[in-house]
Amino acid sequence: RKEVEQDPGPFNVPEGATVAFNCTYSNSASQSFFWYRQDCRKEPKLLMSVYSSGNEDGRFTAQLNRASQYISLLIRDSKLSDSATYLCVVHTGGFKTIFGAGTRLFVKA
Amino acid sequence: GAGVSQSPSNKVTEKGKDVELRCDPISGHTALYWYRQRLGQGLEFLIYFQGNSAPDKSGLPSDRFSAERTGESVSTLTIQRTQQEDSAVYLCASSGTFNEKLFFGSGTQLSVL
Repeated sequence: RKEVEQDPGPFNVPEGATVAFNCTYSNSASQSFFWYRQDCRKEPKLLMSVYSSGNEDGRFTAQLNRASQYISLLIRDSKLSDSATYLCVVHTGGFKTIFGAGTRLFVKA
Repeated sequence: GAGVSQSPSNKVTEKGKDVELRCDPISGHTALYWYRQRLGQGLEFLIYFQGNSAPDKSGLPSDRFSAERTGESVSTLTIQRTQQEDSAVYLCASSGTFNEKLFFGSGTQLSVL
């Protein structure tokens, strides 16, 4: 079993749609969680941290469920510019930072 | 510089040759990571440095791969006797410490012919 698993997609949605991605992790001792965004042929960039109480940044909402060991990202009112690969990232106990394989999103006009 | 710098941006080499990739982290960042990303795949952890602590080498795929870092400065990733399956983008990232957000360089695209 992979340490961090994501649905690879792709998710094809129209502009204005709401879309949600989930990510599961295997290490119950994992300490912190993030969502990164990666555009085609570019390096990953931090989108947002994920806090236990859930957090929101504009159209983006992230949630963490420690009991079930999953993280979610909700994007509301999708824009064409949201098209990218979204990477779930987990810091485990120790030095490893584990990236999920990513979920591809295509937003169409 | 303001960000993480990697060089070269592209490297084409012949099978069996050695290559050396360089990463300049953000000044003051104690943590430095190397990842490999094959075309259409996710990021594969290779190695992690934290200050002067012993590096976590658990992700290195074979003994042909090695990396060094002096203090909190430049790191080099060396691949000996390159194979075609080594072709990938090699990404370097740094952070203030572990468990903090990572800042990535633009990567080195390695092509082994």
